[in-house]
Amino acid sequence: DIQMTQSPSSLSASVGDRVTITCRASQSISTYLNWYLQRPGKAPKLLIYDASSLQSGVPSRFSGSRSGTDFTLTIGSLQPEDFATYYCQQSYSNSLGFGQGTKVEMK
Amino acid sequence: QVQLQQSGPGLVKPSQTLSLTCAISGDSVSSNSAAWNWIRQSPSRGLEWLGRTYYRSKWYNDYSGSVKTRITIDADTSKNQFSLQLNSVTPEDTAVYYCASGWAMDSWGQGTLVTVSS
Repeated sequence: DIQMTQSPSSLSASVGDRVTITCRASQSISTYLNWYLQRPGKAPKLLIYDASSLQSGVPSRFSGSRSGTDFTLTIGSLQPEDFATYYCQQSYSNSLGFGQGTKVEMK
Repeated sequence: QVQLQQSGPGLVKPSQTLSLTCAISGDSVSSNSAAWNWIRQSPSRGLEWLGRTYYRSKWYNDYSGSVKTRITIDADTSKNQFSLQLNSVTPEDTAVYYCASGWAMDSWGQGTLVTVSS
């Protein structure tokens, strides 16, 4: 199975900060990488698909990029509603997998 | 916009079968471009994709290796819904279960907490 390793597992930030979360795949997955946001008690919400495509309705402060097997989610200017947990997910293989999550907390 | 509504029991006894249903509105379960997934989440296992079904002139299924011997995902075209069956459950199968649509999962059900306990 393809392993997805996210870092950091948690971070503290303030409103207005630029935040970067990284996800590394254990093998090449091309651009088959999606990012989700999950708020407590709610289902995950798709933010980015195919590594860098912004899902409809998602604010433009969210962006995604790829370098080889490393993927990055960037929040350009953190907003109060962005304090949540973020997950990457590979869709390259027929057995999908998620990263372990990155919790973004208020500093 | 696809909307998904989950239903099913919140308590299952060990060794029995967990059964959940996801009703679809805004799309057809037999759409030639859609995929229908089941995912679960627990503190110990995080987010875990369980499997999916999709229709491309015939029905296909993909399952996670972790549950492959115990899982069945079926579609019911007459009711426009799909279902999850997980056999021989143990307390380790206690989790919030979600259904979701898409190859990138862009619509999700509301989640169902399923507890495995006698």
